[in-house]
Amino acid sequence: ETGVTQTPRHLVMGMTNKKSLKCEQHLGHNAMYWYKQSAKKPLELMFVYSLEERVENNSVPSRFSPECPNSSHLFLHLHTLQPEDSALYLCASSQDGLGTSNEKLFFGSGTQLSVL
Amino acid sequence: SQQGEEDPQALSIQEGENATMNCSYKTSINNLQWYRQNSGRGLVHLILIRSNEREKHSGRLRVTLDTSKKSSSLLITASRAADTASYFCATDDSGGSNYKLTFGKGTLLTVNP
Repeated sequence: ETGVTQTPRHLVMGMTNKKSLKCEQHLGHNAMYWYKQSAKKPLELMFVYSLEERVENNSVPSRFSPECPNSSHLFLHLHTLQPEDSALYLCASSQDGLGTSNEKLFFGSGTQLSVL
Repeated sequence: SQQGEEDPQALSIQEGENATMNCSYKTSINNLQWYRQNSGRGLVHLILIRSNEREKHSGRLRVTLDTSKKSSSLLITASRAADTASYFCATDDSGGSNYKLTFGKGTLLTVNP
């Protein structure tokens, strides 16, 4: 296990539903991430939180709403999604920033989301 | 091409053979990382090589980095069926965000028993 837990593992929702994805890390890390992985496309960074403050928001539609109540938990609230939002949503954490710190990402197993 | 683009897209080999995957990137970097992903699961970090390093080893893995060509290779020696997975390179951008790793589309490696 990587120390990053995501729930649920699978989620099927209609376009009018509201649901939330949950991520919890037990590593004492300061940064948490949401990535989207669609078939045949590279991983797309969605949001980054460092010490509970959002530091990256990569032009993600407002139907995705992140929440980081503390440094161990990260949520992704979903509402009025589109079928093209179906993907594997991955949560990750790192001790601190990545580049100059030579840090690595620890990923959860992901939530496979299907929007009908 | 995109930052962190792997080549080939798919590779099929027999158990015991070596597997080589390549990665190209565009910007200046602090480090380059390789990750592995089993189908439908999260990514697992394999190895990190810093921009001032040329080669690094970890068990059956050997990574090289050529910053003049902006390319890296991952060699898996004496492959096993359990090595079947997708492999991704990821780069930071030394002039950009400290929290952004850019991943390629990956190489799907199949090791046949």
